[in-house]
Amino acid sequence: GNSVTQMEGPVTLSEEAFLTINCTYTATGYPSLFWYVQYPGEGLQLLLKATKADDKGSNKGFEATYRKETTSFHLEKGSVQVSDSAVYFCALKYDDGFQKLVFGTGTRLLVSP
Amino acid sequence: DTEVTQTPKHLVMGMTNKKSLKCEQHMGHRAMYWYKQKAKKPPELMFVYSYEKLSINESVPSRFSPECPNSSLLNLHLHALQPEDSALYLCASSQEEEQIYGYTFGSGTRLTVV
Repeated sequence: GNSVTQMEGPVTLSEEAFLTINCTYTATGYPSLFWYVQYPGEGLQLLLKATKADDKGSNKGFEATYRKETTSFHLEKGSVQVSDSAVYFCALKYDDGFQKLVFGTGTRLLVSP
Repeated sequence: DTEVTQTPKHLVMGMTNKKSLKCEQHMGHRAMYWYKQKAKKPPELMFVYSYEKLSINESVPSRFSPECPNSSLLNLHLHALQPEDSALYLCASSQEEEQIYGYTFGSGTRLTVV
């Protein structure tokens, strides 16, 4: 079936460090891929997306590239801030007769000053 | 207006109560969703409405009853819930039920069943 696997957290970094959160997927066909972020006590916010192979999504200094050959969509940021502390969800959307959005288990990021 | 608004933000209800969660968006989105999220878990899909018609019910117990009165409004009616139904209930919308569109989520209603 279609699924998303994310690295276990928490990921603990110091401010201005480089961030990578790994995400790999299993899918039949050609899904769209998304990263969502959830700050404490809030709903999810769409961070970025890519809808076909080799597309790069980017937003607020975060970026991720849709790699079909490695079935990956790793999230990166060059210099994290304390305010980036949150839970990050990788997700894929596919057509199963209807559109279905499947989330990974989420990765908690903790950034210290 | 680029938001999905959910009310109330917090709700405590007894197992014999009837309550409703409300979700509103004014972005002209034609697809709306209810998700349930338990602590430290990803959201799980409950219902999908597309053009005000229920298109997906992910085997949700009948004590949860969705309603879409118009294209901007989505309700979730709750009756005879169990303590294990305590969770964050998230509403979301998207422009269309197409693969390329992401979802806009509300901040959620944190429900506690006592």
